[in-house]
Amino acid sequence: VQLVDSGGDLARPGGSLRLSCTASGFTFNKYSMNWVRLIPGKGLEWVAYIGRSSTDIFYSDSVKGRFTVSRDNAKKSLWLQMDRLRAADTGTYYCATAAFDFWGPGTPVVVSS
Amino acid sequence: EIVLTQSPGSLSLSPGDRATLSCRASQSVGTSLVWLQHRPGQAPRLLIFDATDRFTGVPARFSGSGSGTDFTLTISSLEPEDLGIYYCHQRAKWPRTFGQGTKIEIK
Repeated sequence: VQLVDSGGDLARPGGSLRLSCTASGFTFNKYSMNWVRLIPGKGLEWVAYIGRSSTDIFYSDSVKGRFTVSRDNAKKSLWLQMDRLRAADTGTYYCATAAFDFWGPGTPVVVSS
Repeated sequence: EIVLTQSPGSLSLSPGDRATLSCRASQSVGTSLVWLQHRPGQAPRLLIFDATDRFTGVPARFSGSGSGTDFTLTISSLEPEDLGIYYCHQRAKWPRTFGQGTKIEIK
């Protein structure tokens, strides 16, 4: 079982990034997925959820309207499109199954001018 | 949103000590609560789900209890590898929320 998240980078405030998460070793289309971030000095924060068929999608209030979660079960892939980035979005972003039994290693995002 | 308050903020204990971590919810979450361990430089790891069930491969020294608004994670006899930050997380209502974490240091 493996989740590999990638796409983290340095971005300017107001800019955009697209994070990716690729799954292997398990039946991806049977799992709802989360994005979670670790904010320096603050701890873990839940970011977004997407159901198995993309029908159910939820966001934290802090990212609603700026971030978009999506998936392609045929490609066993999950994405997080991050727009209108803010300094407060700086952190390490993890993809994880909805039950948190599997996690990616995390990808760092830094938003700074 | 449901606020999870963890206590204490940190613990400094010796190997073999018992650790008791608390998580209190601002409203009932039933048993829809998980405990996660986050070691430095690693991805978080699921320890306990549904408040009391140990995840596959988690040592028996980890146990969870509680329901409603008050939950406890107990580590019966600390091992050196148990250092890290422990988070509770509620899956009862949207938005999902985490506690602020309890940091365990091993003397």
